[in-house]
Parts: sequence; structure tokens; C-alpha cells
Amino acid sequence: KAGVTQTPRYLIKTRGQQVTLSCSPISGHRSVSWYQQTPGQGLQFLFEYFSETQRNKGNFPGRFSGRQFSNSRSEMNVSTLELGDSALYLCASSLDYQGYNEQFFGPGTRLTVL
Amino acid sequence: ELKVEQNPLFLSMQEGKNYTIYCNYSTTSDRLYWYRQDPGKSLESLFVLLSNGAVKQEGRLMASLDTKARLSTLHITAAVHDLSATYFCAVDLKGTSYGKLTFGQGTILTVHP
Repeated sequence: KAGVTQTPRYLIKTRGQQVTLSCSPISGHRSVSWYQQTPGQGLQFLFEYFSETQRNKGNFPGRFSGRQFSNSRSEMNVSTLELGDSALYLCASSLDYQGYNEQFFGPGTRLTVL
Repeated sequence: ELKVEQNPLFLSMQEGKNYTIYCNYSTTSDRLYWYRQDPGKSLESLFVLLSNGAVKQEGRLMASLDTKARLSTLHITAAVHDLSATYFCAVDLKGTSYGKLTFGQGTILTVHP
């Protein structure tokens, strides 16, 4: 069974640009969560999508947005990039079976903002 | 707000020794997860603990959950170099988390020969 895939794996952008990251969950998983990982703040929850609906959102500014498609694939977008957005962005999928939330993580997209 | 704290944050061990990583959380929950992350890599699921008193073992690692104390432990037995990694615990709140895991800071484990 294929795992969670994320593209691209690496990105270099400059301040003010925008970026779109993509995530394909494990087949059959309908819940997709996004996290930002930085050395200073650790792993922080961005948002979660289930059946194309955002069910939960973390404490990030509106520059961070996402969406989910009918095939459960998800994208996140960051507009007007800032230096502090440099991070590893991880996507995770789960079955969300009876609220059971074991998440399986993708390899991540490492974003560098110059 | 749910807070999850791990200690120690850094752990340097000799091969063959035993040690325990502790994970405390602030809000009642019976759902706790342990993950491993190798440098530059993603997170790998190690254990899922879903009830008070749950204990799971895999190789040299054993995890347990005490929901009354809001404490989980990850015990390492006879450490080997391959166990060197960062270990995270994470908690979610049944019925309200909706895909959100709250992670501890991570424990960086280094096993020396």
C-alpha cells in the first residue's frame, strides 16, 4: 500500500511570493492534516480536511490556506511569504475511524524563504 | 488549551543501558501516540495507546499510558545505536480534535557505543 506522498520535496522562494504544496493521502484515508515543523516552535497544527471540508484550524494567519479535493488529495497555499515561513511542512492522513486518529505522515516539503 | 511536555529533551545513552522518556499532558485524554523521526526524515508511527493502563512493546521499546496521572512513558531497554532519533509523543482529544494532534517538544536520543 502506497504511503502519503508530498510534492514538491524542496522549494526555495523569496519573500512576498506564494507557494502551493500538494499531498496525496493513503488510499482510503479521508482525513488530511497539515503541520509546520520548525526548530523553534516544533510541530504545529495548521488545519485538517475531511471530505473536502475544513474541520479544524490551528493558530496561523490567513495567509495559510488549504483545500481538499473529492479524491482526498489536499493542497495548502501560503501567500505573501515571510522569512519565518521557512519550515518543513508535513502532511498526514488518517482513517478517522470512530475518531481514532493515528496519523501517517508524508516525507514533507522543505520550504526555504529567502 | 492542551499542553504536552516531554522530558528529557536531550538524552545521551550508552549502548546496552536502559532509560525512560516521559510525556505529560495537561487535559484528560485516553489517546496518546508515539512517533519517531530520523534526521531530515518524516515521522514514523511507533505506538498508539488508547486506554488507561495500555502497554505496547516493539523490540527494545515499550510504551505505557496512565490517564489518571496524564502520563505516558517510553522505555528503552538495552539501547543500540539504531535507536538514535527524535521521539515525539502526541495527544488528541476524542470527539473534538478533528485531525489535530498536539505534540510534545521531542526528545533527541543519541546512543553511543
